[in-house]
Amino acid sequence: GENVEQHPSTLSVQEGDSAVIKCTYSDSASNYFPWYKQELGKRPQLIIDIRSNVGEKKDQRIAVTLNKTAKHFSLHITETQPEDSAVYFCAASKSNYQLIWGAGTKLIIKP
Amino acid sequence: EAGVAQSPRYKIIEKRQSVAFWCNPISGHATLYWYQQILGQGPKLLIQFQNNGVVDDSQLPKDRFSAERLKGVDSTLKIQPAKLEDSAVYLCASSSQLARPYEQYFGPGTRLTVT
Repeated sequence: GENVEQHPSTLSVQEGDSAVIKCTYSDSASNYFPWYKQELGKRPQLIIDIRSNVGEKKDQRIAVTLNKTAKHFSLHITETQPEDSAVYFCAASKSNYQLIWGAGTKLIIKP
Repeated sequence: EAGVAQSPRYKIIEKRQSVAFWCNPISGHATLYWYQQILGQGPKLLIQFQNNGVVDDSQLPKDRFSAERLKGVDSTLKIQPAKLEDSAVYLCASSSQLARPYEQYFGPGTRLTVT
């Protein structure tokens, strides 16, 4: 069936360093790939997304890249800050305006 | 623009009891989703509504879970009777098919503990 694999499950980086989270998807019809950030005890919030006709998108310190041929996409966070600590979820679109979710990556920023 | 509202925020019940959750989506959002999020996992879709019709309820445990969206706006999700494994956060999300249909906006969730 359709699925999204996300790695790593936990990522610990030094404050100021970069963090990269990777996802692969199986449904070749997927054409929308959002990333959500979920802080402890809070709701998931959309932080960036990319569509299949674009290879890369940036928004300040965060960027997402997409390789449709390889069916993988990645989230890049540069100059990490303590407030970046959270669980990050990737997702891929499927029919009926649904999303297939990754299992999440817990990002820990070490001071 | 007001966000997605959910209530209650927390609920503790004993197994075999019943519980209901309420969701009010963003105004004008025709699509409404209920998710179950178990600690340490990603959201799992339970049911999706388009206006007041069900689009997908294939992962809803229909022997104990039910949901409705009678007037195409607010929605309720009910569990009866609850089991220990139902302990989770229940998230409601909505999206607008007119604007960006895949962008889902989440409510704060209801944390359910079944003892």
